[in-house]
Amino acid sequence: EDQVTQSPEALRLQEGESSSLNCSYTVSGLRGLFWYRQDPGKGPEFLFTLYSAGEEKEKERLKATLTKKESFLHITAPKPEDSATYLCAVQAVGSQGNLIFGKGTKLSVKP
Amino acid sequence: KAGVTQTPRYLIKTRGQQVTLSCSPISGHRSVSWYQQTPGQGLQFLFEYFSETQRNKGNFPGRFSGRQFSNSRSEMNVSTLELGDSALYLCASRSGQGNTEAFFGQGTRLTVV
Repeated sequence: EDQVTQSPEALRLQEGESSSLNCSYTVSGLRGLFWYRQDPGKGPEFLFTLYSAGEEKEKERLKATLTKKESFLHITAPKPEDSATYLCAVQAVGSQGNLIFGKGTKLSVKP
Repeated sequence: KAGVTQTPRYLIKTRGQQVTLSCSPISGHRSVSWYQQTPGQGLQFLFEYFSETQRNKGNFPGRFSGRQFSNSRSEMNVSTLELGDSALYLCASRSGQGNTEAFFGQGTRLTVV
């Protein structure tokens, strides 16, 4: 069964304290792995797509990496405005528009 | 470029009633997917439409249905509402060509009382 597990469930950081979020996945064949950011009461905001092991993408203080079994979202010197829930999703080979989501990591960055 | 528009943003319904939610995708996008988000289960896939045809369906009862129109706008309907149907319903828009990211709307918050 295709599955996505994110850890930790919640993470509290001080402003400037770098850390990483983990997304472990099990799929029959990976078509793509996606990272989203979701603020309370809003829809998920697209961040990155990764397609193959070894691929990396960066955007401001965020960097996403991918291996054959997991993905990491590295946050460098976070700011309070980075506080949100970060969601990881995978699309399996042969699926049609069906994203399988993890439960998310709720990140809080204190000034 | 306009994003994904979902209406209404909030709904309160009574058990046993039915409800229809609407989604207008990004201009030019032909794929629309629907998801249910609850605190306990997270985001779960309901169904996906492409060019007016349902291409994929999640593991939800038949009370949940949808359709897509020729202009790519989509609606989902839930009949005989139950308390457990209270959730944030999200619509995602994709171009539909190959490996493409999905862009989400702000969602419709449905409360069943």
